[in-house]
Amino acid sequence: AQSVTQPDIHITVSEGASLELRCNYSYGATPYLFWYVQSPGQGLQLLLKYFSGDTLVQGIKGFEAEFKRSQSSFNLRKPSVHWSDAAEYFCAVEAGGSYIPTFGRGTSLIVHP
Amino acid sequence: SQTIHQWPATLVQPVGSPLSLECTVEGTSNPNLYWYRQAAGRGLQLLFYSVGIGQISSEVPQNLSASRPQDRQFILSSKKLLLSDSGFYLCASAPGQGADTQYFGPGTRLTVL
Repeated sequence: AQSVTQPDIHITVSEGASLELRCNYSYGATPYLFWYVQSPGQGLQLLLKYFSGDTLVQGIKGFEAEFKRSQSSFNLRKPSVHWSDAAEYFCAVEAGGSYIPTFGRGTSLIVHP
Repeated sequence: SQTIHQWPATLVQPVGSPLSLECTVEGTSNPNLYWYRQAAGRGLQLLFYSVGIGQISSEVPQNLSASRPQDRQFILSSKKLLLSDSGFYLCASAPGQGADTQYFGPGTRLTVL
């Protein structure tokens, strides 16, 4: 079975600074990988996903993520954080075609002005 | 794109009372449907998923049940609520044909007192 680890529970950055949220997964084959964002009291919104092909994936709101098979990682990055990016971020991994993703516990992003 | 509706948005129920949460989906047909629970400060726990009408798979044994009476309707129920049932309940829908991206509803905040 697949699993995903988000080692950082909270991340605090200053507005305008760069951001990297870590995600490590465990799965024997090439997984489907996702990043979702959740604003307080809301549902989750997909930021980006990786199925195959180019390992650098562009998403919405200026986010990108890079799939590194050798490190079993799929870290999320943004070059310049805005105050509106403060939210909870979830990484998810899915065995291709299983239709059942496994979510990490989430990383809470705090943005200081 | 898909739109997921959930109601009620907020619910406060006494221990031992019944529960019915409803989820409806617009903009797709024959989706895979999911119920998740999100406890405070934790990730998403998959409760049930369904690949078609009347087809329900349970991921976690508990006093909750799910039903899918129509293609785009998914209901979460309980006969007697426990304090531990408190949480944020999210319904999600996925195309069901290999695209695997999940679309989430706005959630229901359930407090059991």
